[in-house]
Amino acid sequence: KAGVTQTPRYLIKTRGQQVTLSCSPISGHRSVSWYQQTPGQGLQFLFEYFSETQRNKGNFPGRFSGRQFSNSRSEMNVSTLELGDSALYLCASSLVGDYEQYFGPGTRLTVT
Amino acid sequence: GDSVTQMEGPVTLSEEAFLTINCTYTATGYPSLFWYVQYPGEGLQLLLKATKADDKGSNKGFEATYRKETTSFHLEKGSVQVSDSAVYFCALSERRDTGRRALTFGSGTRLQVQP
Repeated sequence: KAGVTQTPRYLIKTRGQQVTLSCSPISGHRSVSWYQQTPGQGLQFLFEYFSETQRNKGNFPGRFSGRQFSNSRSEMNVSTLELGDSALYLCASSLVGDYEQYFGPGTRLTVT
Repeated sequence: GDSVTQMEGPVTLSEEAFLTINCTYTATGYPSLFWYVQYPGEGLQLLLKATKADDKGSNKGFEATYRKETTSFHLEKGSVQVSDSAVYFCALSERRDTGRRALTFGSGTRLQVQP
């Protein structure tokens, strides 16, 4: 069974631009969560989607948003990029009713 | 709020040495506990889990026991290999009755195993 896939793997953007990251969960997994990983703040929860609805949201500004499609694929969007948004963005999927999360390889975003 | 505290690294060991990485947590209710491992340039891999007190999670020679009385979930391995060199993260899930799956992570412990 294929794992969680994320595209693109690497991205370089300029301050002020916006970016969209994509995540395809493991087949059969309907819950998708997003995390930001930085050297300073570590791993922080962004949001969780299930059945195309945001179920939970971390402590991030409104510039960070996401959505989930009917096939469980998810996207996250960051608008008006700041230098501090440079990070590894990780997507994780899980089965309904299960608390194990399986992570993708991440998208490395660099904001210049 | 929930929090996870891990011992700071890096931890440097010789091959075949015994490994312990300490992890303690603060949470309301009864969280599930996890250890994840991250190899350079990769995402997180689930290493093991425990869902209730006294559960022992194990995988690939690694073990950890959910100790509610000491709010701990220490990772151990009897004999490490060079290939175990990575960053290890302890994590907990939110209270099960919320149905939410957000993970709270520790800061990570880098393990370096020398041949």
